[in-house]
Amino acid sequence: AQRVTQPEKLLSVFKGAPVELKCNYSYSGSPELFWYVQYSRQRLQLLLRHISRESIKGFTADLNKGETSFHLKKPFAQEEDSAMYYCALSEGWGKFQFGAGTQVVVTP
Amino acid sequence: KAGVTQTPRYLIKTRGQQVTLSCSPISGHRSVSWYQQTPGQGLQFLFEYFSETQRNKGNFPGRFSGRQFSNSRSEMNVSTLELGDSALYLCASRVEVAGGSEQFFGPGTRLTVL
Repeated sequence: AQRVTQPEKLLSVFKGAPVELKCNYSYSGSPELFWYVQYSRQRLQLLLRHISRESIKGFTADLNKGETSFHLKKPFAQEEDSAMYYCALSEGWGKFQFGAGTQVVVTP
Repeated sequence: KAGVTQTPRYLIKTRGQQVTLSCSPISGHRSVSWYQQTPGQGLQFLFEYFSETQRNKGNFPGRFSGRQFSNSRSEMNVSTLELGDSALYLCASRVEVAGGSEQFFGPGTRLTVL
């Protein structure tokens, strides 16, 4: 079965420190992967897609097919990065598999 | 463009009742997906509609059903409510973009079953 695993439920980092959120997936086809973010009392929103290979709000994520990973990284965490982050895999036809999510807390 | 809207935002029902939730996608988006979000199970896919046809379905009992209208608005119905149906129900509209797709979520409907 297709699966998305986020091993860390909670990640606490200091402002200015690097942050890396892990995401591993299992998928038999060619995966389309995403990171979504949910700030407090806001709706779930797209952060970035592996296809676009862009940096959003200083975050980047590289698809590693060999390790079946799509880790999210930011070199210098900011307090406004505190949020819930979800890794997601598209199975096509609008069906997304989401990981359990990682709560990031950035302390000053 | 206005974002995805969902109504109502909050609902309280009792066991055995049924409920209908509504979702209006972003204008021009023809794909609408529904998800259930709970603290224990996280985000789970319910079903997806495209041009009034259900194209994909998750692993939920038949009590969960949906439909989509010609204007792409979608409704989700849950019959014979159980306590475990208490959750945040999210709707998302999707659009194909270069190299893939993008999915936009609504604010959700918080359903409480007593």
